[in-house]
Amino acid sequence: DTEVTQTPKHLVMGMTNKKSLKCEQHMGHRAMYWYKQKAKKPPELMFVYSYEKLSINESVPSRFSPECPNSSLLNLHLHALQPEDSALYLCASSQGPEQYFGPGTRLTVT
Amino acid sequence: EDQVTQSPEALRLQEGESSSLNCSYTVSGLRGLFWYRQDPGKGPEFLFTLYSAGEEKEKERLKATLTKKESFLHITAPKPEDSATYLCAVTLSISSGSARQLTFGSGTQLTVLP
Repeated sequence: DTEVTQTPKHLVMGMTNKKSLKCEQHMGHRAMYWYKQKAKKPPELMFVYSYEKLSINESVPSRFSPECPNSSLLNLHLHALQPEDSALYLCASSQGPEQYFGPGTRLTVT
Repeated sequence: EDQVTQSPEALRLQEGESSSLNCSYTVSGLRGLFWYRQDPGKGPEFLFTLYSAGEEKEKERLKATLTKKESFLHITAPKPEDSATYLCAVTLSISSGSARQLTFGSGTQLTVLP
């Protein structure tokens, strides 16, 4: 089973809202990732967690706040986003070299 | 600067018309090259990993090959359901713990017409 789940599938939020994206995997993977993908572009890495510790933050604005409560869960807390943050947000996990992606959350900021 | 370049950007094929997609890379310390398929609005689906020049992997109508400077994804007798964006990615040095950092190419959008 190589399933990564993400909720919600779609999210519309105003610029003053606070919301969270959730990601879950039960493959025993110890690395988890957040990516942002704009239309017709490849995924861009945002954050990497390794053994539940943040190991890479690709200079992401502080309005995005990741959290890894345990080895199966990854959250992305959103606050005071801008319209240009509208994108597909992808979660992935890995144990070996291959990363397995979830279906994504389509975020629209109005 | 490390780079991954995919060509063509878009490719339209008739059903049954075989072709190849290209991924060229200018990186040092390659630790793996990956092919993913992505359908519109969905997450990338893992297809293949290649590690060393001369390596080949196959899955149904797809075959991936690797040389020292590029990888090819060969599609034999494609069907309309093969229509998707195909992404190539490389991983360089080993990152921290079990994590790996991927560098993606910009993708090839494949359309297979019935």
